[in-house]
Amino acid sequence: DSGVTQTPKHLITATGQRVTLRCSPRSGDLSVYWYQQSLDQGLQFLIQYYNGEERAKGNILERFSAQQFPDLHSELNLSSLELGDSALYFCASSPRQANYNEQFFGPGTRLTVL
Amino acid sequence: AQSVTQLGSHVSVSEGALVLLRCNYSSSVPPYLFWYVQYPNQGLQLLLKYTSAATLVKGINGFEAEFKKSETSFHLTKPSAHMSDAAEYFCAVSEYNNNDMRFGAGTRLTVKP
Repeated sequence: DSGVTQTPKHLITATGQRVTLRCSPRSGDLSVYWYQQSLDQGLQFLIQYYNGEERAKGNILERFSAQQFPDLHSELNLSSLELGDSALYFCASSPRQANYNEQFFGPGTRLTVL
Repeated sequence: AQSVTQLGSHVSVSEGALVLLRCNYSSSVPPYLFWYVQYPNQGLQLLLKYTSAATLVKGINGFEAEFKKSETSFHLTKPSAHMSDAAEYFCAVSEYNNNDMRFGAGTRLTVKP
């Protein structure tokens, strides 16, 4: 158990819908990262937040957005969902901003878009 | 931008045999390098990391990796494979003050009895 929690574990929805994925980092960790893992794209970095502020953006679509709240939990919002958005979404946390620190991964949310 | 290439999407070894998973990186500055393991239906777990200290890095579960700057490589090895090592392995690279960690495509390791 990494100490990072993600809810829900599974999510099934329809195209065009909007969903919110939630992540709670390890106690004391200030950075939260979001990743998408799919069979065709592999593991893709989406976005990072540090202590409530956006710090880095990866391959995140404009239909996707995220935020980190004062209690440091984070939410990833996916809207106008398409079939291709079906994937595993991972959240990871680390104690500092710099990337030489280990990232601790949550168990993931499996999103299925029908 | 930094990148990682993992050679071989699937590697199969017999139990007790040497495990060698290959990773080559590209970075304009000295990199930080990581190996993660993902067991079925789980998140990624750090095996080991290189952060410019010793070039031979020892990790958990008997794995180790050697940073070779001249070859831009960070291959993962284990002298004797165990059935429990069957999983997907990811190499990743990041750079100092760059928050973007890049992962390789992954190598699926199968261990035959």
